[in-house]
Amino acid sequence: GQNIDQPTEMTATEGAIVQINCTYQTSGFNGLFWYQQHAGEAPTFLSYNVLDGLEEKGRFSSFLSRSKGYSYLLLKELQMKDSASYLCAVMDSNYQLIWGAGTKLIIKP
Amino acid sequence: DVKVTQSSRYLVKRTGEKVFLECVQDMDHENMFWYRQDPGLGLRLIYFSYDVKMKEKGDIPEGYSVSREKKERFSLILESASTNQTSMYLCASSSGQSWANEQFFGPGTRLTVL
Repeated sequence: GQNIDQPTEMTATEGAIVQINCTYQTSGFNGLFWYQQHAGEAPTFLSYNVLDGLEEKGRFSSFLSRSKGYSYLLLKELQMKDSASYLCAVMDSNYQLIWGAGTKLIIKP
Repeated sequence: DVKVTQSSRYLVKRTGEKVFLECVQDMDHENMFWYRQDPGLGLRLIYFSYDVKMKEKGDIPEGYSVSREKKERFSLILESASTNQTSMYLCASSSGQSWANEQFFGPGTRLTVL
């Protein structure tokens, strides 16, 4: 079967760095997405990786290793507004998105 | 900016009622999707559509149907609501140029079936 694993919850301190991991087993691979979802709101797009390596976008970076079936989202200089759930999703060989359950990130002052 | 709107933020219905959830996008996107989101589970795809009058089943289509009569509008129908359909329903759209394009989500409809 197809599976996306990510931690259920993480806690970090304002101003620090946090890494949210995502491992996947899917039938084929056409890219990996990260979305941010604040409580009670719609998910919003953060990043898309289809090739191995690190993609940096401001305070957020996303890394992909296709051979390991692994990605992480790195958040630097954490702010209170970064408290949200972070969803990892993989596009399989049929171009269907397989979603992880999300990681709830709690930022403490 | 892409805007995806859903007809209701909160909805309470009784078992056996017919329920319509409407979704409208304003960016001329070809692809539209209906998901449900439940605690501890990833988003699960109910149905999607890649063109007007076209529809494809997702992972959990049972108990649901959809309608896409106009490009901008994608409706989800629960023919006879049941308590296990209590959930958050999210609509999304994406450009048809590539399936790998990001999806833009509506604010969601929290449906409670009593």
